[in-house]
Amino acid sequence: DAEITQSPRHKITETGRQVTLACHQTWNHNNMFWYRQDLGHGLRLIHYSYGVQDTNKGEVSDGYSVSRSNTEDLPLTLESAASSQTSVYFCASSEEYSTDTQYFGPGTRLTVL
Amino acid sequence: TQLLEQSPQFLSIQEGENLTVYCNSSSVFSSLQWYRQEPGEGPVLLVTVVTGGEVKKLKRLTFQFGDARKDSSLHITAAQPGDTGLYLCAGARAGGTSYGKLTFGQGTILTVHP
Repeated sequence: DAEITQSPRHKITETGRQVTLACHQTWNHNNMFWYRQDLGHGLRLIHYSYGVQDTNKGEVSDGYSVSRSNTEDLPLTLESAASSQTSVYFCASSEEYSTDTQYFGPGTRLTVL
Repeated sequence: TQLLEQSPQFLSIQEGENLTVYCNSSSVFSSLQWYRQEPGEGPVLLVTVVTGGEVKKLKRLTFQFGDARKDSSLHITAAQPGDTGLYLCAGARAGGTSYGKLTFGQGTILTVHP
């Protein structure tokens, strides 16, 4: 069965360190998204990609970067982790159109000390 | 700026009660989706509504898209403890820079007590 996976599921790091969160999907979807989830804010879009070599900034992209070298993977990098980036991060993918279902991974809980 | 205002943020009710969750915006959306999320998992799509005034039913859940496509509601009849979870609405806009993207509401944490 097709799926979307994230790793690690939990991560504790220190302020200033670089952190990369992995996202891998086997749906063969063109669109991939990274969100962060904080209480009272729902899901906020960090970065997204419409295909290989395409990346775009979302509403809360400062301090984050992504790269898309193949269809299956969209790793999220925190260049210099800050305590404000403590959150739960979700990766999602969708086929093409805005009405298409977004399929979410199980999330990564990141704590920055 | 939160484009989708979801209310209430928290809802605690007894089994068998009815409830309604609202999702409101000043913006027009081409479609609106409702997701349900359980602890430790990602959101899972419940329904997509596309046409203004559309009503969709999923067992005890009724979803409605406003006539002007600016708002939506989720009504649960005779809530059960298994309905406990986080409910999220998400709006999509057609075309341009909004292609493929969703804007999420803040979410409603529902707890149904036995």
